[in-house]
Amino acid sequence: EVQLLESGGGLVQPGGSLRLSCTASGITSSNYAMNWVRQAPGKGLEWVSGISDSGATTYYADSVKGRFTIARDNSKNTLFLQMNSLRAEDTAVYFCVQTRSSGISDGFDVWGQGTMVTVSS
Amino acid sequence: DIQMTQSPSSLSASVGDRVTITCRASQSISTYLNWYQQKPGKAPKFLIHVASNLQSGVPSRFSGSGSGTDFTLTISSLQPEDFATYYCQQSYILPLTFGGGTKVEIK
Repeated sequence: EVQLLESGGGLVQPGGSLRLSCTASGITSSNYAMNWVRQAPGKGLEWVSGISDSGATTYYADSVKGRFTIARDNSKNTLFLQMNSLRAEDTAVYFCVQTRSSGISDGFDVWGQGTMVTVSS
Repeated sequence: DIQMTQSPSSLSASVGDRVTITCRASQSISTYLNWYQQKPGKAPKFLIHVASNLQSGVPSRFSGSGSGTDFTLTISSLQPEDFATYYCQQSYILPLTFGGGTKVEIK
């Protein structure tokens, strides 16, 4: 069974940084594109960023472009999200998501349990 | 960006009812429309791919249809485990966008 396990969330002050990690087990994640999707408390789902299976191509929502960086280490089946210049509106549960294929915009097949990021002074 | 609008935002239904949720895209997305189910405190679950393809393990009471701008998710006979929030998502073009969700509650 494929499992995704996120870590790295927590409380950070506005303007601060956090690095999220997501480790995949039960599958070779390098065959699939990966994404981060977030959900603010009591709100809907928002796509944040995506990365191709090789890691060569990355994509970002306008709301995080220039502040967040997605990366992956396929040798360790691990996905990262480096979040800088954090704002209160970045407060959310962040889900690591594996697509159903190598296509970045294919369906979101496997989800992690999520890690909470709270930006507050 | 493509805007996804779901209706209704919430509904109350009884076990055994037929439930239909609508999702409308702000421009044509062919059949690049996916559906997810989310229960409180849990991650979303992938239900339907490209408008009508039921994912493995999803009960056959769920079905999806539509193309272009208008799509529907139908639950033919609502079961207790189906009470949840449902989201549509377009995968036609980046940025990938979700509908606002439809909360299905017990009447």
